[in-house]
Amino acid sequence: ETGVTQSPTHLIKTRGQQVTLRCSSQSGHNTVSWYQQALGQGPQFIFQYYREEENGRGNFPPRFSGLQFPNYSSELNVNALELDDSALYLCASSLAGTESLFFGSGTQLSVL
Amino acid sequence: AQSVTQLGSHVSVSEGALVLLRCNYSSSVPPYLFWYVQYPNQGLQLLLKYTSAATLVKGINGFEAEFKKSETSFHLTKPSAHMSDAAEYFCAVSEGTGGFKTIFGAGTRLFVKA
Repeated sequence: ETGVTQSPTHLIKTRGQQVTLRCSSQSGHNTVSWYQQALGQGPQFIFQYYREEENGRGNFPPRFSGLQFPNYSSELNVNALELDDSALYLCASSLAGTESLFFGSGTQLSVL
Repeated sequence: AQSVTQLGSHVSVSEGALVLLRCNYSSSVPPYLFWYVQYPNQGLQLLLKYTSAATLVKGINGFEAEFKKSETSFHLTKPSAHMSDAAEYFCAVSEGTGGFKTIFGAGTRLFVKA
């Protein structure tokens, strides 16, 4: 059984740039959620995708957007990067009808 | 709106002592409740979950938690701490299946002293 994988593991960008983070879901999972975890804080819910549609969103601006593909992999796109976007971005997959999230190891994004 | 409050950002115990990490939640519907653990430079791993079955839930690594509706609490305990338990622990609440909009607390860092 393949777990949740995220790429890249680390990324450095400058303010105003755009970034794309990628996630492969655990085998058999059809739902993917993205979280932002700032240093010393809990994960903050960005959004969730199910059947390639956004299925719920947290308090993040529209410059945070996502995609889910037919194979259930996913992308998180962030436009016009700000310094406060520096954080660990976590992807979690799950199976609709169950309750638990399965997390990847995250992408550490630094915005300079 | 659902929310989670973890009491104490840091907890320190001696090896072999009782571990108690506190979590209170608010939810407008019967919630699903979780505890996750995060080791340095890693993602989160599920320890245990409450899904309206037994109120006392047993998880991995000897951890357990009790759902108390009257107190809106879901505290995590372990009878005897081990050095390997040192990590960050997150309580979380979800109002739907599929991990729908799972909301996390701020976390409690557990230190275990030899």
